[in-house]
Order: sequence, then C-alpha cells, then structure tokens
Amino acid sequence: NAGVTQTPKFQVLKTGQSMTLQCAQDMNHEYMSWYRQDPGMGLRLIHYSVGAGITDQGEVPNGYNVSRSTTEDFPLRLLSAAPSQTSVYFCASSSTGPYSNQPQHFGDGTRLSIL
Amino acid sequence: AQSVAQPEDQVNVAEGNPLTVKCTYSVSGNPYLFWYVQYPNRGLQFLLKYITGDNLVKGSYGFEAEFNKSQTSFHLKKPSALVSDSALYFCAVRESRDDKIIFGKGTRLHILP
Repeated sequence: NAGVTQTPKFQVLKTGQSMTLQCAQDMNHEYMSWYRQDPGMGLRLIHYSVGAGITDQGEVPNGYNVSRSTTEDFPLRLLSAAPSQTSVYFCASSSTGPYSNQPQHFGDGTRLSIL
Repeated sequence: AQSVAQPEDQVNVAEGNPLTVKCTYSVSGNPYLFWYVQYPNRGLQFLLKYITGDNLVKGSYGFEAEFNKSQTSFHLKKPSALVSDSALYFCAVRESRDDKIIFGKGTRLHILP
C-alpha cells in the first residue's frame, strides 16, 4: 500500500543548480499538490493540480515549475536553486474532483538544502 | 482568498487533562475544515474534517473538533491527553468553490507526563 511516494528523501544542491522532486501516487487521485514547510511558516502551497494537464499556482510559486502529464505523477522542478528554497517539501493527493471534501494523503517529504 | 490562523505556537498540557488547540479561519464561501497531525520526520496524517451538518465532529485517536460559524473557529479538542499526543498539529481550510487547500502555521502540542 504505497500511497504517496516522494523521491529523493534528502538532497543537497549548490546555488544555481536545477533539479526535479518526484511525486507519485497509486490511488488514482485527481487532486495533487506541493507544499513547503519552513519553521514558523507552517505549510505553504506552491502549486497544485486538479487533473492531468491542469496545474495552477498556490501561495509561493516563484522559482518552481510543475507539470501533470499523467494522473499518477506530479514532479516539482527547481529551475535555478537558491538558498531561500532550503526547506522540506511535501507532496499530497486527494480523491475526486475540484470541489472535493476528501482529506489529502501526504508523502514523507523531501529535505532539500541549497548551499 | 481563504486563510487560517493558529494563534498558539505551542501548547503544554499535563497528561490526563483536557486539551484544546485553536484554529480560526477566513473564507468568502462555505468552508471545508481539516485537522492534521505530524510526527517527527513524517508527512501529515488526517485527523478529522468538517464539511456540513453537526458542529461537533469526531476523528481519530479520540480527537474531536467544534465548528463555530459565528466565531469562524474550528478548535481541536480531546478530553484526556496522552503523552503520545505530543506532535505538531495543523488546521487547514478549503473554500467550497475553490481548489486550494491552505494550512495554518501549526501548533506544537507537548503533553507532560
């Protein structure tokens, strides 16, 4: 029962490097989202998707890109890493459509450090 | 745009005492409200939700929450705290006509033995 799988679990980058954080879910959920968690800031929504081919910006989208080519996968791309992007990143998914009241299932997070 | 406030960064409660973790929200439409718990080095786990109906909702691990529309609050409660309840708790809101789910900053709950 995999649920939401995030890879890698840990990553260290140098300023200016790019990378992709992977997220996959096996529950056929339509809604997927990316959050970053910082001390004292809680969880802030980066981008979200209500289905394949549809994405939208959240509260803090700058410096990040997403795409949703399949229902299962929702990768998050850092185009040019900056120290301010040092954080723990969580991917989440939930069932049914845009106006769903279903709770989200979260991955275990990716801990990213930018030097 | 919707928003969530958790006014307490940390709450300390003696084991066996009742606990309350506060949450207030702001939406322009009808709210969907959620509570999640996070243990160290893990993702968030769902505790309970309010969608409509009875203002008192019950969830996992003996937790419950009371929806108060006039005060725009959704406080998390438990009658008797356990040491194992120590964790980080998040309140979240989704406006019924929007897709975004917004979280509060979290409240760290310490249950003292």
